[in-house]
Amino acid sequence: NAGVTQTPKFQVLKTGQSMTLQCAQDMNHNSMYWYRQDPGMGLRLIYYSASEGTTDKGEVPNGYNVSRLNKREFSLRLESAAPSQTSVYFCASSADRNDRPQHFGDGTRLSIL
Amino acid sequence: GENVEQHPSTLSVQEGDSAVIKCTYSDSASNYFPWYKQELGKRPQLIIDIRSNVGEKKDQRIAVTLNKTAKHFSLHITETQPEDSAVYFCAASMGNNNAGNMLTFGGGTRLMVKP
Repeated sequence: NAGVTQTPKFQVLKTGQSMTLQCAQDMNHNSMYWYRQDPGMGLRLIYYSASEGTTDKGEVPNGYNVSRLNKREFSLRLESAAPSQTSVYFCASSADRNDRPQHFGDGTRLSIL
Repeated sequence: GENVEQHPSTLSVQEGDSAVIKCTYSDSASNYFPWYKQELGKRPQLIIDIRSNVGEKKDQRIAVTLNKTAKHFSLHITETQPEDSAVYFCAASMGNNNAGNMLTFGGGTRLMVKP
């Protein structure tokens, strides 16, 4: 039981390049989330998916797209990376009920030059 | 939407002392309040949570209290140890919604425990 798995763990991109961050969970959770965490700051929600087939914008969606591929997988895509998107990206999942915790992956450290 | 404020942003204590971190929230419909610990370079990990039908919850050296009337909740760590040094985040659920368990996070508290 791996929980939430993110790939890759580290990535360096050049401005304008595109890339997809992958996330998979094996806890049979319906809800999945993408956050970014900038140095010394808290977690800001980029996108979320309440269930397979649905996605919605969070607090900071600009410059990102997401795909809920199936119940297990939720990917985050940067179409044209910008230096302002240098951050640590965390994926999380939770059960449906709103009194259940979110479980986080280990994060992807993304640097854009 | 929900707004969660967390204080202090940094907290330094001597080993063995207690540490208290406080959070306030704005949405009276919020009914679930988890606390996460994040060590340097690691993922946030749940350490304790409380639901709105409970005023206090303890787990060994960690306790959380909730005051729904005042819309604030606090994390208490007793007998602090160097391994408690980390960043702690509070969060509040937005209540019933169609987004699973959407959480709003506080800005974090960096706790430093001096040996």
